[in-house]
Amino acid sequence: NAGVTQTPKFQVLKTGQSMTLQCAQDMNHEYMSWYRQDPGMGLRLIHYSVGAGITDQGEVPNGYNVSRSTTEDFPLRLLSAAPSQTSVYFCASSSFLAGDVGELFFGEGSRLTVL
Amino acid sequence: DQQVKQNSPSLSVQEGRISILNCDYTNSMFDYFLWYKKYPAEGPTFLISISSIKDKNEDGRFTVFLNKSAKHLSLHIVPSQPGDSAVYFCAASEDAGGTSYGKLTFGQGTILTVHP
Repeated sequence: NAGVTQTPKFQVLKTGQSMTLQCAQDMNHEYMSWYRQDPGMGLRLIHYSVGAGITDQGEVPNGYNVSRSTTEDFPLRLLSAAPSQTSVYFCASSSFLAGDVGELFFGEGSRLTVL
Repeated sequence: DQQVKQNSPSLSVQEGRISILNCDYTNSMFDYFLWYKKYPAEGPTFLISISSIKDKNEDGRFTVFLNKSAKHLSLHIVPSQPGDSAVYFCAASEDAGGTSYGKLTFGQGTILTVHP
């Protein structure tokens, strides 16, 4: 039972480089999202998707792109990395069950450092 | 503007005693509240939740209390165990059954340490 799988777990980038954080879930969940965790800030929503082909912005979307071509995958792209994007990134998924709200299943996280 | 606040960065409790973690919110549109637990190098895991139509929800050793007039919720752990040592995040959602589904606003987290 893999659940939500994120790769890579660790990444170091130089300012201006691009990269993609991968996220895959095997629970057939409709809803997927990306959060970033920073000290003293809790987790903040970057982008989310309610199904294949549908994405929307969260609280802190600037500098990030997403797409959802399949139910299983929700990659997060950094087009030109900046030091302010140094953070721990969490992918999460959930299912639209009756009476089931916001019980997100999280991946283990991807720690990104931008020099 | 932090809509969900956990004002205690850390809490230390003796094994067997009660742990009380607190959370305050400012957005009156929040109608669903959750607590997540996070161990180092792992993702957060869901612990317990409460709808705004209730003032208490209990699950084993964990109880969440909601005071809507004060915009305050708390998580009680009784009795506390060393394995409960983790970071606890409070989270909230508005219009939970509609367009805000799954869009959670998190607090900063409280580090709970339970001493044997």
